[in-house]
Amino acid sequence: GAVVSQHPSWVICKSGTSVKIECRSLDFQATTMFWYRQFPKQSLMLMATSNEGSKATYEQGVEKDKFLINHASLTLSTLTVTSAHPEDSSFYICSAREVSREGKPQHFGDGTRLSIL
Amino acid sequence: LAKTTQPISMDSYEGQEVNITCSHNNIATNDYITWYQQFPSQGPRFIIQGYKTKVTNEVASLFIPADRKSSTLSLPRVSLSDTAVYYCLVGDANYGGSQGNLIFGKGTKLSVKP
Repeated sequence: GAVVSQHPSWVICKSGTSVKIECRSLDFQATTMFWYRQFPKQSLMLMATSNEGSKATYEQGVEKDKFLINHASLTLSTLTVTSAHPEDSSFYICSAREVSREGKPQHFGDGTRLSIL
Repeated sequence: LAKTTQPISMDSYEGQEVNITCSHNNIATNDYITWYQQFPSQGPRFIIQGYKTKVTNEVASLFIPADRKSSTLSLPRVSLSDTAVYYCLVGDANYGGSQGNLIFGKGTKLSVKP
């Protein structure tokens, strides 16, 4: 089945550091990838939609200068948390959908646990 | 934007059939219904997707009535490893983000006991 790989799976860093998270579709091409954030015991919250070759679309309340998204190819999207602070600590999850496949579901990565000290 | 309503939690015992119902009264013509399973500290895992009537795969069945305002995920003979949160999502498979696809509700926490 379709596989989405996310890296790293876990990162701890100091406040003020920028952290990059990669999301790759391993066996299919994805025009669109999605980035979610999940706090403990809560549901996933959509942060932004990443479109290959164009600017990302951010959900209301998500700072685009804080969460930089790049979707340079049909198999890779990156999320960079700039100048991270403790309140940015969360579980970040990406998902991807195959190009031009109506009715095809999104597939999710296994998430990145980000802890800012 | 079609919202979904599910029970917050359900309890079951090993070997039983579990049915989780989701309400989506404002479902649009182009919307599919998709169910995901999530374990702690993991990304959601696709279970099943359907548009109407009944869909069955190796792990579950999805029942969708004619008006499509609800759907029921059926898990046959659950085991302890089926303890997880189950999300019902409704959206247009051709679009993403604010255009209506895959906005997560609170999900149903299923606890399977021995």
